[in-house]
Amino acid sequence: GAVVSQHPSRVICKSGTSVKIECRSLDFQATTMFWYRQFPKQSLMLMATSNEGSKATYEQGVEKDKFLINHASLTLSTLTVTSAHPEDSSFYICSAKTPGGTDTQYFGPGTRLTVL
Amino acid sequence: TQLLEQSPQFLSIQEGENLTVYCNSSSVFSSLQWYRQEPGEGPVLLVTVVTGGEVKKLKRLTFQFGDARKDSSLHITAAQPGDTGLYLCAGPPYNQGGKLIFGQGTELSVKP
Repeated sequence: GAVVSQHPSRVICKSGTSVKIECRSLDFQATTMFWYRQFPKQSLMLMATSNEGSKATYEQGVEKDKFLINHASLTLSTLTVTSAHPEDSSFYICSAKTPGGTDTQYFGPGTRLTVL
Repeated sequence: TQLLEQSPQFLSIQEGENLTVYCNSSSVFSSLQWYRQEPGEGPVLLVTVVTGGEVKKLKRLTFQFGDARKDSSLHITAAQPGDTGLYLCAGPPYNQGGKLIFGQGTELSVKP
């Protein structure tokens, strides 16, 4: 149980285009999902908390108009990188909390974004 | 700022050696999680510790949560090349809405 998927696993796009990344909880409902960014050889940096049916909460320094988050259902959250630039190239990972009030998060396999 | 200080950040050892990774904070955590991540993949949960003083074992891995719930350790006995990877500790500080703070990570390399 507690499986989280992400799609796509890898995407290459041109500068100025937008890219959408999907995060799904496959065998449980997740009222809260999280989006992280990770640079090579570094730890995870939380970007935002995605709450089903309400606006996402962004961490300080993360542009909400650039990284659009939508959590339209209990099993799906999407992150859209708008007007992507080469500096947005990174490994994006989502996670989801299982119901029941525990703090444990289960992570997706990540999406490697390369902006040319 | 609530931080988790993880050490060491890099560790290269020979197969069969033992090692310990530490995760320390000045803040109290309601729980701590340990994850292992391989290149190009998401972190995989190893264990969650909840109670102060708790010790959990997962085969050759032993996890401990400090009595005051401010620190944790991961001890690996007789490391194997398959243990190679990035180990991350993470925890939700009290009253922070359940979001996780991550340690800097420990890049472990076990050479045959």
